[in-house]
Amino acid sequence: DTAVSQTPKYLVTQMGNDKSIKCEQNLGHDTMYWYKQDSKKFLKIMFSYNNKELIINETVPNRFSPKSPDKAHLNLHINSLELGDSAVYFCASSPPMNTEAFFGQGTRLTVV
Amino acid sequence: RKEVEQDPGPFNVPEGATVAFNCTYSNSASQSFFWYRQDCRKEPKLLMSVYSSGNEDGRFTAQLNRASQYISLLIRDSKLSDSATYLCVVNGNDYKLSFGAGTTVTVRA
Repeated sequence: DTAVSQTPKYLVTQMGNDKSIKCEQNLGHDTMYWYKQDSKKFLKIMFSYNNKELIINETVPNRFSPKSPDKAHLNLHINSLELGDSAVYFCASSPPMNTEAFFGQGTRLTVV
Repeated sequence: RKEVEQDPGPFNVPEGATVAFNCTYSNSASQSFFWYRQDCRKEPKLLMSVYSSGNEDGRFTAQLNRASQYISLLIRDSKLSDSATYLCVVNGNDYKLSFGAGTTVTVRA
């Protein structure tokens, strides 16, 4: 059983399009995250949610809108995609008390 | 100043060697500390948590120095399979894991 699963694994799209990435965790965790890993391999947090509520929005453009329909899901919708959005996007979840996070396999987004 | 800073390496070592590297963190209120491993084109995976008293997991030893705000990882008897990027991760009490940029280790035969 995959603990944190995200789809799609690969996404190639044109500039200006709108796309979504889905994430689901079956670990029963309360906290979920979206991270972006750019070409320099630096992992940077975008959002964190706790029990469906937005906790952190780390100065991400408004074109990125996360949605958490329940605490097992955290989806990411991106409007008007730009070349600079090309990166690997990782979803993760963690249990309470600031313990470690478990990552999905990543979505490699390429904007052309 | 970045929240977590690491020596990027790369560290290129022969099999059987010992390799060690550090990271520093800026938030003195940080609560939890970890080393993650990331293989090429894969997701980060927890290698080990880092405790104040220092801890070992097989060939891996992690140390935490809260006074100087640094964390270290030492790998003994390196294996080819240890080749990866090692990410230093710090968790403040703010629902955020802060990652270093990673230290690349390559173990050669």
